Amino acid sequence: AQSVAQPEDQVNVAEGNPLTVKCTYSVSGNPYLFWYVQYPNRGLQFLLKYITGDNLVKGSYGFEAEFNKSQTSFHLKKPSALVSDSALYFCAVRDVLLGDKLIFGTGTRLQVFP
Amino acid sequence: GAGVSQSPSNKVTEKGKDVELRCDPISGHTALYWYRQSLGQGLEFLIYFQGNSAPDKSGLPSDRFSAERTGGSVSTLTIQRTQQEDSAVYLCASSLGGWNTEAFFGQGTRLTVV
Repeated sequence: AQSVAQPEDQVNVAEGNPLTVKCTYSVSGNPYLFWYVQYPNRGLQFLLKYITGDNLVKGSYGFEAEFNKSQTSFHLKKPSALVSDSALYFCAVRDVLLGDKLIFGTGTRLQVFP
Repeated sequence: GAGVSQSPSNKVTEKGKDVELRCDPISGHTALYWYRQSLGQGLEFLIYFQGNSAPDKSGLPSDRFSAERTGGSVSTLTIQRTQQEDSAVYLCASSLGGWNTEAFFGQGTRLTVV
């Protein structure tokens, strides 16, 4: 069974508008959730993580993500998109019942238009 | 070092040859991961090392793939008898270990099998 899903291959948004990149998960135990960003020709960079506590997690570059247990979602958000946010975004989950490995979604390409 | 270091950054090899990819994790990180990213695709988990525990090899695609981690630090991913479908970017990551820790990625090795 897939542990994490990113239902959108690409998200397009105008600069200055809010953005959302979707992620849903399926794990047996408590989820540990992560977002990473990959800029062109660059390695993956950690953005933020949800471990426990507040459902709204704040991370780098003004990004935040909301953990929703009832909807098994962990959507990435930003109130005002920048052209420089254009990149490939990956959601990842650690299912402790499957060991410590990080399982990544298929990625969502975010395109922010001027 | 300051980050995860991978070498070589690019490798072109002939079909049927063996290749070795190297990863130097961040000092003190006990967990080490290998992933594969094909062009425009998501991250495919290959193998995970954690301390002295037996590695999680569940993601290795065939017996042509193997990996070692010597002395709990440097890791080598070996691909024997390379095939064209092995062409991809191979990413290494390390973390402090534990369910709540994020992984830090190297820049990757781009492998091209001709």
